[in-house]
Formats: sequence, C-alpha cells, structure tokens
Amino acid sequence: AQRVTQPEKLLSVFKGAPVELKCNYSYSGSPELFWYVQYSRQRLQLLLRHISRESIKGFTADLNKGETSFHLKKPFAQEEDSAMYYCALSYSGANNLFFGTGTRLTVIP
Amino acid sequence: KAGVTQTPRYLIKTRGQQVTLSCSPISGHRSVSWYQQTPGQGLQFLFEYFSETQRNKGNFPGRFSGRQFSNSRSEMNVSTLELGDSALYLCASSPPSTGLGYTFGSGTRLTVV
Repeated sequence: AQRVTQPEKLLSVFKGAPVELKCNYSYSGSPELFWYVQYSRQRLQLLLRHISRESIKGFTADLNKGETSFHLKKPFAQEEDSAMYYCALSYSGANNLFFGTGTRLTVIP
Repeated sequence: KAGVTQTPRYLIKTRGQQVTLSCSPISGHRSVSWYQQTPGQGLQFLFEYFSETQRNKGNFPGRFSGRQFSNSRSEMNVSTLELGDSALYLCASSPPSTGLGYTFGSGTRLTVV
C-alpha cells in the first residue's frame, strides 16, 4: 500500500540557514510526488511537483527512486517560509492524494 | 481565473444533525475530491468524483456521502453528526492529468457541539 512519511513534526532553523524537510514514500509503481504548503490562515497550496523539476520560492525537491525520497530543500531560509509543509503522493488511476503528516517549519529571525 | 470555492466557511451543528457542504471547482476541472483535516489525523481522503461518478472512496463510514452535478459542482453530506466529525473539510479540483496537481479551496470549518 502507498504511504508517505514525514519524520519531523517540527523543524526550526535560523534565517539564512539551509533547510531540508524530509519525505519518504512507499509505492511500488511510478509515483507522482508533490509538496504542499499551508501558511497561517491560508489555504493549502501546491508548492512543487516532481514532474516539472522547478524551483519555487527558492525551494527544490528531487525524486530519488532508489531511496524512495522526495526531500524539500532551500539553501537560505527566510522568515516568510514559516508554514506547515505536506508531502503528498499520487499515481495514475489513484484520483486522490495521500498525504504525510506534515512538518511545521519555523524560521527564527 | 476563479479558484476552488467552498461554502459555507464556518458551520456549527449539534450532534445528530446532518450537514451539507458545497464546492465549486475551477472552471474546466471535472475532478473534485474531498479531504478531512484534523490536528490528530492530518489530511485524510474522503472521496473523489469525476463526471458525476464517484471513482474513489477513502476509509470513512457511510454517514459521509457526496455527489457531483453536471456542472462539476460537488456537495458532501454528513448525517448523524458526531463530535469527532469536527474538522476542516477541504475540497480540491484537478485537471485531467493529476500530475499537474490539485488546487484546494479554503475549506469549511465544521464544529459539532
């Protein structure tokens, strides 16, 4: 069965420091991986998707099929990055997302 | 382009009552899915509709149901409300290719007292 694991519930980093939010998944086929972010009092919004290999707000994520990971990284954290981050998985025919439990990132000024 | 619209934003209901939540997807999106978000369980999938047909269902009791109309708008219904149904209910819409991601609404905050 498919599963998404985010091992850190809370993560605090200082402004300007690198940040990495971990995401591991289990799925035997070809997954579609996403990162969603939820800022305080805002809706859940798509941050990154693995198929587009893009960089949004300085964040990047690489799908590592060997390690079944999709870690989210940013070289220099900003205060406005403080939010709840969810890793999610889908696959062709699933028609829904499987979410991890989320990591609350706090960037300390 | 308008986003995903959910109404109402807030609801307070009494145990045993039923409730109906509404979701209007992004124009052109025919897939609508529903999620329950709680502090303890996180984001859990309820069900997904496409062209008025339920294609997928999560692990929730039969008190939770939904439907989709010909204009892709969707409703979800919860009957015989329990205290544990208090949650933020999120609706998401998606274009045909799920690899492009889902767009979420702001949610309906349901409080059962």
